[in-house]
Amino acid sequence: AQSVTQLGSHVSVSEGALVLLRCNYSSSVPPYLFWYVQYPNQGLQLLLKYTTGATLVKGINGFEAEFKKSETSFHLTKPSAHMSDAAEYFCAVSGVGNEKLTFGTGTRLTIIP
Amino acid sequence: NAGVTQTPKFQVLKTGQSMTLQCAQDMNHEYMSWYRQDPGMGLRLIHYSVGAGITDQGEVPNGYNVSRSTTEDFPLRLLSAAPSQTSVYFCASNTGAPSHYGYTFGSGTRLTVV
Repeated sequence: AQSVTQLGSHVSVSEGALVLLRCNYSSSVPPYLFWYVQYPNQGLQLLLKYTTGATLVKGINGFEAEFKKSETSFHLTKPSAHMSDAAEYFCAVSGVGNEKLTFGTGTRLTIIP
Repeated sequence: NAGVTQTPKFQVLKTGQSMTLQCAQDMNHEYMSWYRQDPGMGLRLIHYSVGAGITDQGEVPNGYNVSRSTTEDFPLRLLSAAPSQTSVYFCASNTGAPSHYGYTFGSGTRLTVV
């Protein structure tokens, strides 16, 4: 069984500041990890994914995440926040079969001008 | 490509009514899933399918039914709507191939049961 914990349901950062959204996972098998973004009244869009290989993965819109097995973490970062980054972000995990995703409860990111 | 198409976008039902949420994808994806999104709870898996004729239950299957007669379509049926089923429903699809892990989501159906 897999599970995901996202620390902080709401995060506020100033425009230009570092964005850090936290995600910890639990998995009995090697995990595949994902970050999705949801803009208001829209579906979910894949930001980035970790399956195998390099533990630092780069995604769209300047986001990146690092898979740390020893810490069971997959935190999402962006060096400089932009107003357009305001959205809800979901971390998700799947097992090797990838037939289903387990989501965290989401983090709403607010950007302060 | 249209991707994943969900219809309708909005629906209001009375308690006890039944309806079918439609989901279609044109990417020849083997895997399809239905999720519901509720405030503070993230997305929870209702049912999923790994191919035509194969379905299985997710985390919250009660009150919902699915079938997968074709690769393209994966409808979700509400048998007797209840206010607790008021939610936003998302359909998603994936090839299942290791190099393409990462589901593509539809734009959602907002359902209100009164």
